[in-house]
Amino acid sequence: GEEVAQTPKHLVRGEGQKAKLYCAPIKGHSYVFWYQQVLKNEFKFLISFQNENVFDETGMPKERFSAKCLPNSPCSLEIQATKLEDSAVYFCASSPSDRGYGTDTQYFGPGTRLTVL
Amino acid sequence: RKEVEQDPGPFNVPEGATVAFNCTYSNSASQSFFWYRQDCRKEPKLLMSVYSSGNEDGRFTAQLNRASQYISLLIRDSKLSDSATYLCAVNAHAGNNRKLIWGLGTSLAVNP
Repeated sequence: GEEVAQTPKHLVRGEGQKAKLYCAPIKGHSYVFWYQQVLKNEFKFLISFQNENVFDETGMPKERFSAKCLPNSPCSLEIQATKLEDSAVYFCASSPSDRGYGTDTQYFGPGTRLTVL
Repeated sequence: RKEVEQDPGPFNVPEGATVAFNCTYSNSASQSFFWYRQDCRKEPKLLMSVYSSGNEDGRFTAQLNRASQYISLLIRDSKLSDSATYLCAVNAHAGNNRKLIWGLGTSLAVNP
């Protein structure tokens, strides 16, 4: 598609429950990024993929967060055993490539608002 | 010190005013710079990308100063619809690191 799609728009979970978020990048884009935005606008990088391969996972809290980008499927971000502090908006972004001016520009999906009660 | 810093504002300006925001970054290896606009917790929308000294698009001008490690965004003839949070993002490109490092944003309110 022409836009990054994310589902669901809103997700409510009780503490300890699992949450799974989905992202379909713009068609033809090679890179997918996940960011977490908590209060006060702070964006935190979580993980990036180059096609189906993990590219950079330095931002992932490894014990409860996992992510995948499988061929012919939306990418996913899964949080096992959610905690209150996981409440945030999770944005997915995609970019065409990393070669040449403009090709590293990241385009964002509408986000998934996760509320953990 | 944060890697990317912005004045949080808020900037309150009348319609038609010119307003400028600055964003400083700490990693001198940074290669690509972006201004995004975010409305009310919606997704960031790309406003401008800056790779060399600057970029201009209509009422918006971005300038990059590598020596002093900052980028600026100038908005001329501001409109009510320019009210938003303006986020500065930097792509470090250190090694193969392509993640964006974000400032906390500058809030702009344009008043009638």
